Amino acid sequence: EIVMTQSPATLSVSPGERATLSCRASQSVNRNLAWFQQTPGQSPRLLIYGASIRAAGISARFSGSGSGTEFTLTISSLQSEDFAVYYCQQYNDWVTFGGGTKVEI
Amino acid sequence: QVHLAQSGAELKKPGASVKVACKASGYNFQFFGITWVRQAPGQRLEWMGWISAENGDTNYAQGFQGRVTLTMDTSTTTTYMELRSLRSDDTAVYYCARSFSGSAKYYGDFWGQGTLVTVSS
Repeated sequence: EIVMTQSPATLSVSPGERATLSCRASQSVNRNLAWFQQTPGQSPRLLIYGASIRAAGISARFSGSGSGTEFTLTISSLQSEDFAVYYCQQYNDWVTFGGGTKVEI
Repeated sequence: QVHLAQSGAELKKPGASVKVACKASGYNFQFFGITWVRQAPGQRLEWMGWISAENGDTNYAQGFQGRVTLTMDTSTTTTYMELRSLRSDDTAVYYCARSFSGSAKYYGDFWGQGTLVTVSS
């Protein structure tokens, strides 16, 4: 099973700042990597797939990069609605999720 | 618009079974698949399995093999997840999500609202 490790576990930032979240895979997943946002009590929302392709309706503030084993989600100029937990998911070898990064004020 | 509506919360005793429904609307059901993911309190998301609405093919996560069954009713565009021999650590929110019809190795692009299953004596 491919293990996905996200860092940091918690990221404290201020509105308007940039946030950089990392996701590492235990073996290569090529570019078969998605990012999700989850706010309390809500379902996950797809942000990015194919490592860097924004899903429909997702703000250009969100960008993804990376391939192989190292991936990054960048949120430029954080808005209040961006404070949430972010998960990465690989779908190269079945499906596994990272442990999440909580972005807080 | 794409919408996945899940059945309501369940309270079950250890050893029992639960069956959660996921009704899809707003898209051509048979062009896609449905994946099931659960989230135990304070835990990461965990993939359980996938069913193709195109042909009924299924794949299950190794940790759930033999305990979970996914079925579908194309006439009502509803997918069902049945989990048997429930234990206390099966207490979680269970989600369905629209996926790809051709492979389980994919992401969910639209998600249901989640169904809380509580297992307690």
